[in-house]
Amino acid sequence: GAGVSQTPSNKVTEKGKYVELRCDPISGHTALYWYRQSLGQGPEFLIYFQGTGAADDSGLPNDRFFAVRPEGSVSTLKIQRTERGDSAVYLCASSLVGSPRETQYFGPGTRLLVL
Amino acid sequence: QKEVEQNSGPLSVPEGAIASLNCTYSDRGSQSFFWYRQYSGKSPELIMSIYSNGDKEDGRFTAQLNKASQYVSLLIRDSQPSDSATYLCAVSRDQGAQKLVFGQGTRLTINP
Repeated sequence: GAGVSQTPSNKVTEKGKYVELRCDPISGHTALYWYRQSLGQGPEFLIYFQGTGAADDSGLPNDRFFAVRPEGSVSTLKIQRTERGDSAVYLCASSLVGSPRETQYFGPGTRLLVL
Repeated sequence: QKEVEQNSGPLSVPEGAIASLNCTYSDRGSQSFFWYRQYSGKSPELIMSIYSNGDKEDGRFTAQLNKASQYVSLLIRDSQPSDSATYLCAVSRDQGAQKLVFGQGTRLTINP
């Protein structure tokens, strides 16, 4: 079956602009995660959805970052007033809640470059 | 102190040898431990998970966990050039849906 998909694969924007990053999880996966990975670092947790609600948004760096998952499937990560420091690879992962020892499956990521 | 620490490497191992990757973590409440492999420009791929003290073997891979020492390791036997990648250690407080805390990764190179 299809894995986690993310669009766009690359996004170049200018400082101060608004961007939206989309994640389409594996069909049937109820948990969805967003991580951010800077060059040479491991992924850093941003937010986790259980169904439609954000169960844990403790990793969002500030109020410029917001994420939604209105129908419990596709999620959009929204970044307002982008800054150069937002440049990173944004990774989405999904998992099947209730499966034995849940495994997070990662998408290919969106490379965001803020000029 | 970082929550999850790994030696960033690079770690260079000859083909056919054993590669040993190490990870320490600071949160004693951690319950779940994972090793992900990440090829350059690609997303992380789960290769091993371990939840209780001791060793867990899967093919050429063995994960070792020592909760008292807050230490996790990954051994790769009969290393192949295709094992060359960055290996990420990840830790979670949960047994269910998990917020993963990653180390910075160890870059491993297998030399033919």
